[in-house]
Amino acid sequence: DAKTTQPNSMESNEEEPVHLPCNHSTISGTDYIHWYRQLPSQGPEYVIHGLTSNVNNRMASLAIAEDRKSSTLILHRATLRDAAVYYCILRFNYGQNFVFGPGTRLSVLP
Amino acid sequence: EAQVTQNPRYLITVTGKKLTVTCSQNMNHEYMSWYRQDPGLGLRQIYYSMNVEVTDKGDVPEGYKVSRKEKRNFPLILESPSPNQTSLYFCASSSVDSQETQYFGPGTRLLVL
Repeated sequence: DAKTTQPNSMESNEEEPVHLPCNHSTISGTDYIHWYRQLPSQGPEYVIHGLTSNVNNRMASLAIAEDRKSSTLILHRATLRDAAVYYCILRFNYGQNFVFGPGTRLSVLP
Repeated sequence: EAQVTQNPRYLITVTGKKLTVTCSQNMNHEYMSWYRQDPGLGLRQIYYSMNVEVTDKGDVPEGYKVSRKEKRNFPLILESPSPNQTSLYFCASSSVDSQETQYFGPGTRLLVL
């Protein structure tokens, strides 16, 4: 099964951009790349997803490497409310089998 | 308000005493899932359902049962709980038109003594 690798933790200063990396070297052609985040004491929430092309939405941007073996979640201006655990997830075969890893704990410093 | 609800939110029980954690969504979603979250392991999927009467195993199904008799409900059943099932449990739902966007419930914290 394809898995993802993320740093355990990262720090950022408030109002600066944050780049959260994810490696998925065994990704298959039909696997979508998803990012979710989990704020303290809450369930995870959807951030963004993509297949091959870079994606933007109101929360973040997703940059996907040309060979799809890695991706980067970009928060353009971190706020204190962005402090959370960020999960990079591969979804298999258009189905509902989401595999979460330990994620990256992002701290945002004022 | 669109939401996923879980009950109970907190539960302490003893080994072997059957329990059910309920999950309900009001968004008419086809897909529903159960996850457990343990320190250092992230979230692991237990079971998922792609529609009424259609369920499938996730990564850690042992010791759990589910049923999907109605579209809105997806209860998680522990027939004989053991201490290693002490965990934080999340239910999630998504629509067939937007499968990537799962909506998670608030979580159920279970302690099995």
